[in-house]
Amino acid sequence: GDSVTQMEGPVTLSEEACLTINCTYTATGYPSLFWYVQYPGEGLQLLLKATKADDKGSNKGFEATYRKETTSFHLEKGSVQVSDSAVYFCALSDLSGGFKTIFGAGTRLFVKA
Amino acid sequence: EAGVAQSPRYKIIEKRQSVAFWCNPISGHATLYWYQQILGQGPKLLIQFQNNGVVDDSQLPKDRFSAERLKGVDSTLKIQPAKLEDSAVYLCASNQLGLAATDTQYFGPGTRLTVL
Repeated sequence: GDSVTQMEGPVTLSEEACLTINCTYTATGYPSLFWYVQYPGEGLQLLLKATKADDKGSNKGFEATYRKETTSFHLEKGSVQVSDSAVYFCALSDLSGGFKTIFGAGTRLFVKA
Repeated sequence: EAGVAQSPRYKIIEKRQSVAFWCNPISGHATLYWYQQILGQGPKLLIQFQNNGVVDDSQLPKDRFSAERLKGVDSTLKIQPAKLEDSAVYLCASNQLGLAATDTQYFGPGTRLTVL
């Protein structure tokens, strides 16, 4: 069945450092890919998405490119801020899975001032 | 626009007791989801409603879990009787259509359940 694997955390960075959170997926069809973020005390919210190969999703300085050849959707940001501290979830939704959304385990990011 | 509302935010019960959670989705959203998020894991879909009909409940432990969405608006999720392994955050989400892979889901803040 479909699955999502993302790098384990926690990831601890200093402010203005570069961020990469790796995400790879397994799917039988052509899924849409998502990054959700969960800030402390809040619900999950969509950060960005890409619906087909080579699409780049972007929001709030974060980017991720849908790479079909490597089945990856890595999250990147050039300069993180303390306010980016949160848990980040990679997810996919696929027709073969009935459009059910499959989430990765999440990666916690701590950004130090 | 008001977001997805959930209550209570926290609940502590003893095993074998019953508990119920409530969710009010964003106005006009036809599709409602309940997820279980165990500590250190990603959310896992328990049940999906389209209006007041069930679309997917394949991962709902039906011997102890039940859910309903009367009138196609708010929803309740019940656990009876609870087990220790039910300790988790229960998330409710909604979106307008829910049948397209590109639809964004909007999540509530969740209910943290602790079973002692």
